[in-house]
Amino acid sequence: SYELIQPPSVSVSPGQTASITCSGNGLGDKYVCWYQQKPGQSPVLVIYQDARRPSGIPERFSGSNSGNTATLTISGTQAMDEADYFCQAWDSGTAIFGGGTRLTVL
Amino acid sequence: QVQLQESGPGLVRPSGTLSLTCAVSGDSVSGTNYWTWVRQPPGKGLEWIGEVYHSGSATYNPSLRGRVGISVDKTNNQFSLIMTSVTAADTAIYYCARIIVGASRGFDHWGQGILVTVSS
Repeated sequence: SYELIQPPSVSVSPGQTASITCSGNGLGDKYVCWYQQKPGQSPVLVIYQDARRPSGIPERFSGSNSGNTATLTISGTQAMDEADYFCQAWDSGTAIFGGGTRLTVL
Repeated sequence: QVQLQESGPGLVRPSGTLSLTCAVSGDSVSGTNYWTWVRQPPGKGLEWIGEVYHSGSATYNPSLRGRVGISVDKTNNQFSLIMTSVTAADTAIYYCARIIVGASRGFDHWGQGILVTVSS
């Protein structure tokens, strides 16, 4: 079955750029979405169709997808961005989630 | 604005049946969107359960096929999940969500989630 692999954790200093990767076989041929989940809350869609931001999502969130890797980039990371991030794609009619990455803002 | 609200028992006995409902407001389940269920075991990642369209057509995660059913109730603007033969491994927060119309099919609106514990 198809798998999406994310690093378990990423750390970043406030104001710096955070990059979270999501790897899967031929992922560049699929559309990737990214979700932010803070403790005790429901996931929030922050990127869809590889690089598009839903209304209300800050411009500091951006995405890219090529080859076997999709990347979520947070520019000028703020303390409020500390959360778990999940990538997601569709494969053969099934939604697949990555295992999640905990972003720590130190 | 679109809102989704899960409801159902928070405790289910092993080998029993889990039954949840998602009430939708601000949108119609009879529209062009698909509607979906996702679960998250405590402290773990997200797992897609399946989706349903207003026609009643449903698709399920192969890992759960045979134990799950998702249906839509257009009269009451809600959709439901049934999962049979549950075990402790089915203990999780269950979320309902709306799927974006379009190529990427992201999940743009989520319910608050409901914790379902499988225990005797």
